[in-house]
Amino acid sequence: DAGVIQSPRHEVTEMGQEVTLRCKPISGHNSLFWYRQTMMRGLELLIYFNNNVPIDDSGMPEDRFSAKMPNASFSTLKIQPSEPRDSAVYFCASRPTGGGTEAFFGQGTRLTVV
Amino acid sequence: QQPVQSPQAVILREGEDAVINCSSSKALYSVHWYRQKHGEAPVFLMILLKGGEQKGHEKISASFNEKKQQSSLYLTASQLSYSGTYFCGPGRGGNTPLVFGKGTRLSVIA
Repeated sequence: DAGVIQSPRHEVTEMGQEVTLRCKPISGHNSLFWYRQTMMRGLELLIYFNNNVPIDDSGMPEDRFSAKMPNASFSTLKIQPSEPRDSAVYFCASRPTGGGTEAFFGQGTRLTVV
Repeated sequence: QQPVQSPQAVILREGEDAVINCSSSKALYSVHWYRQKHGEAPVFLMILLKGGEQKGHEKISASFNEKKQQSSLYLTASQLSYSGTYFCGPGRGGNTPLVFGKGTRLSVIA
């Protein structure tokens, strides 16, 4: 398996533009997580899905953020409109169902909003 | 709620030892440890599933005290390759996600 695949790896956009980050989890993994990493706040959990269903989105900072998982092999995180404070590295991770299993992270998307 | 890690940062010389602590305000069922090298994704180190359990990975080991809701990561005879940011992620059972702390930045110098 190629692991968790995220795209794009880098994104530079202007304030106010819509940004869509993509994630393909490892096949067979039932849980998918979106994290945001900044120096100030560390690795924050934004939202997670079990079996394609959003379970907890309390970490999503504002209504400008939304996430979907239309099927078991694809998820998106959308920011509309984007702001400079959204600049961060966004990670997607997946794992099989169960709390005792490790999570596998994608390589992340470095987002810069200017 | 994020777990609290200490110290926030530490600098070691090769061969020295270090301890990273992780504490949670909520009950723990397991603790996950990850390491992230600069510019890379976090990578799994180990999971501790039972209270009092200790595990090892290379010269890195960990302990888990569920009563105190704490875990510690021990790095022995550190190597340059140990440099990175270490994260603990308390597990609360079932399919609940990992909520990581801000991490501990470890730098090993020659």
